[in-house]
Amino acid sequence: QSVLTQPPSVSGAPGQTITISCTGSNSNIGTGSDVHWYQQLPGTAPKLLIYASRYHPSGVPDRFSGSKSGTSASLAITGLRAEDEADYYCQSYDNSGHYVFGTGTKVTVL
Amino acid sequence: QVQLVQSVAEMKKPGASVKVSCKASGYTFIGYGISWMRQAPGQGLEWVGWISAYNGNTNYAQRFQGRVTLTTEISTSTAYMELRSLRSDDTAVYYCARDGPNFEFDYWGHGTLVTVSS
Repeated sequence: QSVLTQPPSVSGAPGQTITISCTGSNSNIGTGSDVHWYQQLPGTAPKLLIYASRYHPSGVPDRFSGSKSGTSASLAITGLRAEDEADYYCQSYDNSGHYVFGTGTKVTVL
Repeated sequence: QVQLVQSVAEMKKPGASVKVSCKASGYTFIGYGISWMRQAPGQGLEWVGWISAYNGNTNYAQRFQGRVTLTTEISTSTAYMELRSLRSDDTAVYYCARDGPNFEFDYWGHGTLVTVSS
């Protein structure tokens, strides 16, 4: 069961900027836990996109950026491309020592 | 390069058990934990549990407590997830992933489809 809430879908035209929100609570993101983001292309395993709220693993373009404030976080994709069409998940850690995921957001490039 | 290679797909009957393996390479196995997640068809990601490859400590999601066991075999750098008393709603792709230093999952296995059907 997902504890972090994301919009089910977000869409944008190529070149546009879109933002995906991730809303948690004082039991997880609000405790100061980092937020991480994953991209899941159709039929593949998730891939780490942003870690510790705003850092990129090697090889991830800086068109993807993350931020966190209070009990929420967000992922922005600038210069949207057709290959960005995928499912995106946020993830954090709660005060009972468990990992929690977001509900997932399907990004469609129009 | 870091790789996590999982066992092949399994088909089980309700009430049976399944054991999925995850063989790690490209890094020092005991230096990191391994988490397991699952994804039911058309659904989101769900965390199942975590194991320290260093000392075998475990931490399970509440809904799987008593039904799942995570283990590791250091000699072969392999992690295992056993799920018992399978039900049809356990049908899912099960993923292993390496725990990074910030509680992120930095490398993932390719996934193992477990189908539970009579």
